[in-house]
Amino acid sequence: DGGITQSPKYLFRKEGQNVTLSCEQNLNHDAMYWYRQDPGQGLRLIYYSQIVNDFQKGDIAEGYSVSREKKESFPLTVTSAQKNPTAFYLCASRQGHTGELFFGEGSRLTVL
Amino acid sequence: GQQLNQSPQSMFIQEGEDVSMNCTSSSIFNTWLWYKQDPGEGPVLLIALYKAGELTSNGRLTAQFGITRKDSFLNISASIPSDVGIYFCAGEPGGSEKLVFGKGTKLTVNP
Repeated sequence: DGGITQSPKYLFRKEGQNVTLSCEQNLNHDAMYWYRQDPGQGLRLIYYSQIVNDFQKGDIAEGYSVSREKKESFPLTVTSAQKNPTAFYLCASRQGHTGELFFGEGSRLTVL
Repeated sequence: GQQLNQSPQSMFIQEGEDVSMNCTSSSIFNTWLWYKQDPGEGPVLLIALYKAGELTSNGRLTAQFGITRKDSFLNISASIPSDVGIYFCAGEPGGSEKLVFGKGTKLTVNP
C-alpha cells in the first residue's frame, strides 16, 4: 500500500546527542514536509522540500537539519542545538506545491 | 505569520448529537483541509475544499468553504464514540507553498 512511513515511532535521547528521524514515502510525491506538534498548539513547520537536492527553512528551523538526496526520503536530524526537542514530529508529503497534504504516523522524541 | 482561529477548543457531546466547528482567518485562503487525529497518531485527511462556497460530504461529515474565503466549517452528524479525537483545519493562503494550521478542536463523545 502507498503511504508515508516514519521511524522510529518512539525515541529517547540524552541531552547533547543528535538524533535522526526517518521519513520515507512511496506515493511519488514531489514535496515533503516536517512539522513539530506540541500539546495545545497547531502544527509548526520545520523544513520542507519541493524537489530533490533542495529544501527550505520553515518557521522553526533552528536546531534542525534535513537532506533530500532521494525523492522518496526526507530525514530530519534534531541536533544538540535544539533547546527544547521533546515533541511529536510529523512528516508529510503532497504531489505538487498546493493541495492535499498526507501525513505519516509520527515519531515521538523524548529527551532525558 | 498568518493564523487560523479554530473554535471551539473542545466539545463534550452525547452519542447521536450533531457537531459543528469552524476556522476563521483574517486573510483569504485558496484551499481548506480538515483532518482528524487520534492520540499518538498522524492526522488523517477527511475533506479537501478548493472553491469558495463549496460544500463537500464524506459520510456523516460535511465541510464548507466559506463564501468570503476566510472561513470554513465542519459538521459531523449523528456522532458515534469513534468520532472522538482532535479535528484540525488547515488553510492555504494565496501564493504560498505553506499550509497554516488551526490549534484543533478536541471532541469527546459520551456513549
